[in-house]
Amino acid sequence: QKEVEQDPGPLSVPEGAIVSLNCTYSNSAFQYFMWYRQYSRKGPELLMYTYSSGNKEDGRFTAQVDKSSKYISLFIRDSQPSDSATYLCAMSARSTGNQFYFGTGTSLTVIP
Amino acid sequence: GAVVSQHPSRVICKSGTSVKIECRSLDFQATTMFWYRQFPKQSLMLMATSNEGSKATYEQGVEKDKFLINHASLTLSTLTVTSAHPEDSSFYICSARDPRGLGGELFFGEGSRLTVL
Repeated sequence: QKEVEQDPGPLSVPEGAIVSLNCTYSNSAFQYFMWYRQYSRKGPELLMYTYSSGNKEDGRFTAQVDKSSKYISLFIRDSQPSDSATYLCAMSARSTGNQFYFGTGTSLTVIP
Repeated sequence: GAVVSQHPSRVICKSGTSVKIECRSLDFQATTMFWYRQFPKQSLMLMATSNEGSKATYEQGVEKDKFLINHASLTLSTLTVTSAHPEDSSFYICSARDPRGLGGELFFGEGSRLTVL
């Protein structure tokens, strides 16, 4: 079983839709959770960073962590064509030292 | 957020030559940097962990003599692809952990696309 599972998509939505991206994980020790956005031929850009359980909101983006279910989500409200990219989840824990664990990424296309 | 700069963004070289890629943390000191390789439409593949002042730790299957990593200062790590061959053509990305963050957020460089002719 992979440490982190993420549906690769592709996901296609109309402009203005709410997008839900998800990852599940197996290691209950994970406590730091990140979402990255990667445009084609560019390095990943850190979007959201959360610690432990709960919600975090930043503009149109909301990150949720449910440690009891080992499930994290990224919601994008009022999606825009410029949101079209691959979204990667990542996580780590103090016990894993410098090791970060990544999902495979979900490809999102927002259609104008 | 913290900035990690990677250079060059694109390089084309002849088979048999060596290519050096630089990764710099611009506003924080990074004792640890990571090097990844990414194939089209695939996720990041960790190649090695670069530790300042010591030898890099390579992932299984990654040739350390082929991919030389040097982390001589707290803001600079370099990856040298030696005697490059067409199969080394790929997108290489570095990242650095910002120690100022709660758990050490990981920031990525812009990536370097290597094409070996």
